[in-house]
Amino acid sequence: SAVISQKPSRDICQRGTSLTIQCQVDSQVTMMFWYRQQPGQSLTLIATANQGSEATYESGFVIDKFPISRPNLTFSTLTVSNMSPEDSSIYLCSVEPRSDTQYFGPGTRLTVL
Amino acid sequence: DAKTTQPTSMDCAEGRAANLPCNHSTISGNEYVYWYRQIHSQGPQYIIHGLKNNETNEMASLIITEDRKSSTLILPHATLRDTAVYYCIVLSGAGSYQLTFGKGTKLSVIP
Repeated sequence: SAVISQKPSRDICQRGTSLTIQCQVDSQVTMMFWYRQQPGQSLTLIATANQGSEATYESGFVIDKFPISRPNLTFSTLTVSNMSPEDSSIYLCSVEPRSDTQYFGPGTRLTVL
Repeated sequence: DAKTTQPTSMDCAEGRAANLPCNHSTISGNEYVYWYRQIHSQGPQYIIHGLKNNETNEMASLIITEDRKSSTLILPHATLRDTAVYYCIVLSGAGSYQLTFGKGTKLSVIP
């Protein structure tokens, strides 16, 4: 398995501002993923972030709104830009240290006022 | 990836086996069945996965029917800490990262 930490664990932000969420894993992994879980909903994949290449975004998510960095094999950031109340969600990162299993971080609970 | 159907919710008495069903009638030959769970306010936790054969680990057992159109996740001795939403996910072959979460089954373990 992999031990994954996220910072911050929660935040309350004003609309129009941006928040950068950090994801740190205890081992080197090629594939990292970012998900969003809106209140009362299931998880939705935002993008896949592989080290050394541009992130790949899913339908409905764009780089200008959710820029992602992947500077090395143990770290990634997701920025939620120009936030609105609709961005209030739990944001989760996950990694795939083996080819057949994905492990998730504890999540970042974001509230936008 | 094949779609899955799960009951919305289930109850289980503490100490008894919890049997969570999942239908995946359109599953194809190279698709795996994965189970994750999400305890309230936490990230999803991997439980188990399988292709054809039944699988067992320290957390649970996975029983896949011979025609692979359905499966059952078994928690042999449910505890209050097993209260969570359980997700059954079908993936195109090991190594495919496209986890598509449905609504899952809300399991409540009752004292």
